[in-house]
Amino acid sequence: TQLLEQSPQFLSIQEGENLTVYCNSSSVFSSLQWYRQEPGEGPVLLVTVVTGGEVKKLKRLTFQFGDARKDSSLHITAAQPGDTGLYLCAPGPNDYKLSFGAGTTVTVRA
Amino acid sequence: GAVVSQHPSRVICKSGTSVKIECRSLDFQATTMFWYRQFPKQSLMLMATSNEGSKATYEQGVEKDKFLINHASLTLSTLTVTSAHPEDSSFYICSVGGLSSYEQYFGPGTRLTVT
Repeated sequence: TQLLEQSPQFLSIQEGENLTVYCNSSSVFSSLQWYRQEPGEGPVLLVTVVTGGEVKKLKRLTFQFGDARKDSSLHITAAQPGDTGLYLCAPGPNDYKLSFGAGTTVTVRA
Repeated sequence: GAVVSQHPSRVICKSGTSVKIECRSLDFQATTMFWYRQFPKQSLMLMATSNEGSKATYEQGVEKDKFLINHASLTLSTLTVTSAHPEDSSFYICSVGGLSSYEQYFGPGTRLTVT
């Protein structure tokens, strides 16, 4: 099983601040996905990164895949209360084992 | 992306009874579906991979006789928790592969409470 480590585990910030969440592994992935999950709901796919060094932007969210395809980061600019949720990274289904990171719980205070 | 539904969204059952949870892919024929379990304040843990027309593949530590998976069609997989106990109380989520081999889409989850 490929292990993904996410950091930090919890993050509480004020509205308007920036934040970065990290996802690291010793394994190389063909792709990596980021999800956001709200309480009582299933995870929602935010982005899939495939190419080493790739940077994808989704409005105020910037996702980066490491050059070696072992790590990724999610940066949120000017966070809003609606960004509150559990952020999960996971290797894409094309990899042998699906294993989510422990997740980062983000709370954005108004 | 694929639209995935689960039924029921919430279920409460008595200890010792069995509960069936359905996962449907509404707009996509899924040969593979995945079942996860999530305990409060924790991440998703893969339980098993459901393969249409064949036996499911279970992760280490997951009892296949307790968590019965049936994937009889390309749009439906079911998870039956047999002889449920309070420790089986959890949030069960399924997912299906998307049109791209890199993607998977999740259902809304089923909250199981065993009393």
